[in-house]
Amino acid sequence: AQTVTQSQPEMSVQEAETVTLSCTYDTSESDYYLFWYKQPPSRQMILVIRQEAYKQQNATENRFSVNFQKAAKSFSLKISDSQLGDAAMYFCAYRSTDRGGADGLTFGKGTHLIIQP
Amino acid sequence: KAGVTQTPRYLIKTRGQQVTLSCSPISGHRSVSWYQQTPGQGLQFLFEYFSETQRNKGNFPGRFSGRQFSNSRSEMNVSTLELGDSALYLCASSLASGGQETQYFGPGTRLLVL
Repeated sequence: AQTVTQSQPEMSVQEAETVTLSCTYDTSESDYYLFWYKQPPSRQMILVIRQEAYKQQNATENRFSVNFQKAAKSFSLKISDSQLGDAAMYFCAYRSTDRGGADGLTFGKGTHLIIQP
Repeated sequence: KAGVTQTPRYLIKTRGQQVTLSCSPISGHRSVSWYQQTPGQGLQFLFEYFSETQRNKGNFPGRFSGRQFSNSRSEMNVSTLELGDSALYLCASSLASGGQETQYFGPGTRLLVL
């Protein structure tokens, strides 16, 4: 079974600075997808960014970018120019393409990101 | 386009009762997945429905069941509720089924079992 590990239960960053959230995963598969979701206090899970494992190029969405290291099974999220609205729980998630992805998303335990004004 | 909607948003039940939660996917989305979120276990996959068929089920007892209707709306049912079933239940929809599909989440239903 795949596992996703987020080793930082909580991170704090000053507004306008850059922060990197770590995520590692364990899998024997070669084809899969990785995601970062954000869950603010409203509890609504919001997709931040997605990465296809077969793509070497790191995904980017505005201030959010990833550092995907397939061999190291690492998938970190970098948030640039942090804003107060970025404060939330961030979840790293893995989804296999085996069996048509029937096993759903496997989530890490999350990192609580605090933005200091 | 409207997002994923879940009803009800909050629910209080007592042990032994049963509960039904509803999820309406984004228009055009045909796959619906359910997840349970608790402080102890985190986010866990419950099941996925596509074309009215359950594709897979996570490691949950038979008290947890679901179904999908022809309009892609989905319901999940929990029978004989236990205190440990208290959780946030999240529904997610995607255009189709498959590992490459991005899932978009609803606001969740918070269930409290007393």
